Amino acid sequence: GAVVSQHPSWVICKSGTSVKIECRSLDFQATTMFWYRQFPKQSLMLMATSNEGSKATYEQGVEKDKFLINHASLTLSTLTVTSAHPEDSSFYICSARGLDSNQPQHFGDGTRLSIL
Amino acid sequence: TQLLEQSPQFLSIQEGENLTVYCNSSSVFSSLQWYRQEPGEGPVLLVTVVTGGEVKKLKRLTFQFGDARKDSSLHITAAQPGDTGLYLCAGEWGGFKTIFGAGTRLFVKA
Repeated sequence: GAVVSQHPSWVICKSGTSVKIECRSLDFQATTMFWYRQFPKQSLMLMATSNEGSKATYEQGVEKDKFLINHASLTLSTLTVTSAHPEDSSFYICSARGLDSNQPQHFGDGTRLSIL
Repeated sequence: TQLLEQSPQFLSIQEGENLTVYCNSSSVFSSLQWYRQEPGEGPVLLVTVVTGGEVKKLKRLTFQFGDARKDSSLHITAAQPGDTGLYLCAGEWGGFKTIFGAGTRLFVKA
């Protein structure tokens, strides 16, 4: 089945650091990728939707200058958390959808981000 | 405002018991999905329901989609400790976005 790889799976860094998370579709072309954030014991909250070659669409309340999303190719999207602070600590999950919108999206295994 | 209301939020039961998780909305969805998520991992798709009134079975799991396509339920028969996890319903919104319910955390005691 379709596989989405997310890297790194876990990152710990100091406050003020910028962190980049990669999301790759391994065996299909992902025209649309989604980025979610999940706090402990809570559900997934959609942060933004990115389409290959165009600017990402951010959900209300998500700072686009804080969470930079790049979807430069049909197999790779990146989320950069700029100048991360402890309140940005969370579980970040990406998902990808191919050309056929009737097919479900495929999720990565998530990245646990801890900001000290 | 939560588009998808999921209940209960937490459920702790004994092995062998049955349970039902509900997902309700005031909006009509073209499809609803049920996912299961283990700690530290991404959600795994269990089923997609598309047709109003549809019933799908996956071993001991039975999924229903309401006639009006506004609600869905997940019923687990004879729960086992291996069923422990976070169950999430999700619906397609705005043609391409997926919105998740708050989730039901299930704990099955041996």
